[in-house]
Amino acid sequence: DVKVTQSSRYLVKRTGEKVFLECVQDMDHENMFWYRQDPGLGLRLIYFSYDVKMKEKGDIPEGYSVSREKKERFSLILESASTNQTSMYLCASSSRVITPYEQYFGPGTRLTVT
Amino acid sequence: QKEVEQNSGPLSVPEGAIASLNCTYSDRGSQSFFWYRQYSGKSPELIMSIYSNGDKEDGRFTAQLNKASQYVSLLIRDSQPSDSATYLCAVNRLGNTDKLIFGTGTRLQVFP
Repeated sequence: DVKVTQSSRYLVKRTGEKVFLECVQDMDHENMFWYRQDPGLGLRLIYFSYDVKMKEKGDIPEGYSVSREKKERFSLILESASTNQTSMYLCASSSRVITPYEQYFGPGTRLTVT
Repeated sequence: QKEVEQNSGPLSVPEGAIASLNCTYSDRGSQSFFWYRQYSGKSPELIMSIYSNGDKEDGRFTAQLNKASQYVSLLIRDSQPSDSATYLCAVNRLGNTDKLIFGTGTRLQVFP
């Protein structure tokens, strides 16, 4: 069974703070993704990583950066949190080989920036 | 035109009925299609994948794919109140990428 975990379920931060969201998967998946989900806008891809230290910008990368130093771990960094980054953040992973495209999600982190 | 379109709903069906959820997509070359279920406040859960034209059944769920018409649907037979959730359709992005495009989801309500 694929297990994707995220460091926090709920997080409250102040404007201007640096925020770290961590994601860990235990299925040896090559691909990892960070999305944000907002009402009416659906899931939007922030960043994608297909290998250690490799990353691609998604549809809305502005204000975010990522780090993937180990295969199982993918971190999302908000360099200077702003109120418009209040959202549900979802991490997902998928295999490049076994079942390409099938993404499995972590429980999500609901981030509030005040 | 959105790349993946779904009616936002809510779609209300009585318990025991068949719920039919539809999704259209714009990239004719897409090859992989997925349905996710998302309960309120929770993360999406993969429930069905389909890659070939036709029907694919898994328990009470049937996914239907018609590539010529560029639509994919999900049928839920014998709907239960526990099926009440938002259902997201996802389609692979074209090009050398493992990324998906998600629809905004259809909210299903099953009433007793």
